[in-house]
Amino acid sequence: QKEVEQNSGPLSVPEGAIASLNCTYSDRVSQSFFWYRQYSGKSPELIMSIYSNGDKEDGRFTAQLNKASQYVSLLIRDSQPSDSATYLCAVLHGSGNTGKLIFGQGTTLQVKP
Amino acid sequence: NAGVTQTPKFRILKIGQSMTLQCTQDMNHNYMYWYRQDPGMGLKLIYYSVGAGITDKGEVPNGYNVSRSTTEDFPLRLELAAPSQTSVYFCASISQGAAGELFFGEGSRLTVL
Repeated sequence: QKEVEQNSGPLSVPEGAIASLNCTYSDRVSQSFFWYRQYSGKSPELIMSIYSNGDKEDGRFTAQLNKASQYVSLLIRDSQPSDSATYLCAVLHGSGNTGKLIFGQGTTLQVKP
Repeated sequence: NAGVTQTPKFRILKIGQSMTLQCTQDMNHNYMYWYRQDPGMGLKLIYYSVGAGITDKGEVPNGYNVSRSTTEDFPLRLELAAPSQTSVYFCASISQGAAGELFFGEGSRLTVL
């Protein structure tokens, strides 16, 4: 079992729709979770972090965490063509700050005008 | 403030050659990382370091070596290059208190022929 799993996609949504991106992880004691966005040919950039069960909202982005189900998701409301990118889920392995940050394989999002 | 600087940006190697990818950061970050990204895939952790003199293996360490003699520098050594090491390599760093919020370099594209 991979430590962090995502559907590779592509996930295609029309402009203005909600895009839902999902991620599961295997390490039950992990406490810190992150979503990165990567445009083609560029370095990843952090868009959201979440540490507690429930929802965390930042503008059009909402991260959701369910530690019992070992599941993290990212919702993008009012999707725009500029949101078209690969979204990478990352999990800090272990409890505390072990430093070992593991990424999933990424989900490619396509927002069609 | 340069951030995270990687060199070279592009390199072509022949099978069996060796080389070092350089990474330096000027933010006084404790934690540094090397990831590789194959086409259409996520980031795979090669090695990471939580401070000068301390390194640890990630998910895919075989064929690579690292050292961390200073806070600023974290070079990645490839010995006996193989075609399977063709990839884009990213160096990243974070401060100890900002777990998971990586600052990435621009990447180094390596081709082994």
